[in-house]
Amino acid sequence: EVQLVESGGGLVQPGGSLRLSCAASGFTFSNYWMSWVRQAPGKGLEWVANIKQDGSEKYYVDSVKGRFTISRDNTKNSLYLQMNSLRAEDTAVYYCARRIRTDSSTYFDYWGQGTLVTVSS
Amino acid sequence: SYELTQPPSVPVSPGQTARITCSGDALPKKYAYWYQQKSGQAPVLVIYEDSKRPSGIPERFSGSSSGTMATLTISGAQVEDEADYYCYSTDSSGNQRVFGGGTKLTVL
Repeated sequence: EVQLVESGGGLVQPGGSLRLSCAASGFTFSNYWMSWVRQAPGKGLEWVANIKQDGSEKYYVDSVKGRFTISRDNTKNSLYLQMNSLRAEDTAVYYCARRIRTDSSTYFDYWGQGTLVTVSS
Repeated sequence: SYELTQPPSVPVSPGQTARITCSGDALPKKYAYWYQQKSGQAPVLVIYEDSKRPSGIPERFSGSSSGTMATLTISGAQVEDEADYYCYSTDSSGNQRVFGGGTKLTVL
């Protein structure tokens, strides 16, 4: 059974940093692209970042470029999101998601339960 | 920036058919995907590549796409189908990855 378990969320002041983790199990982690998707309170879903199987390609939504860094450790079956210079508008539940990417198709097939990040003074 | 447009809400009576639409300029060339999100839970994939249903998703869920509009159809809606539904796709270049604004399905 595919399982994705996020951790690391919490309350942080504006300008602060936080590192999210996602522990994956039930599948061969190193075979898949992985992603972070977030959801602000009462709002819709927003894709945040993608990382290739070997970490050689990374992509970000414009609003987090230069502040967030996605990474992975395939020896630990873990995905990370380093978030720096946090802003109030980064407040959201952050979901880890397994990404399917083929020549013609790209989507998220499994999601974790999410971890809440609150940016407030 | 690329946008996918969904109606904010769709009401349906139990046992009736609900249709949720998603419009986007690139949909003639790009697949649409649909996610169900129940209150306080993570999203679940219910339709991929316009019309394919993942294992474990009830047959009452189906998808279609024509021109610039994709449609999620729930035939014989159940009370447990009450949730927010989001479409997902990319722009024609594949560089912008976007979700629609979401549609709240109310079954009553």
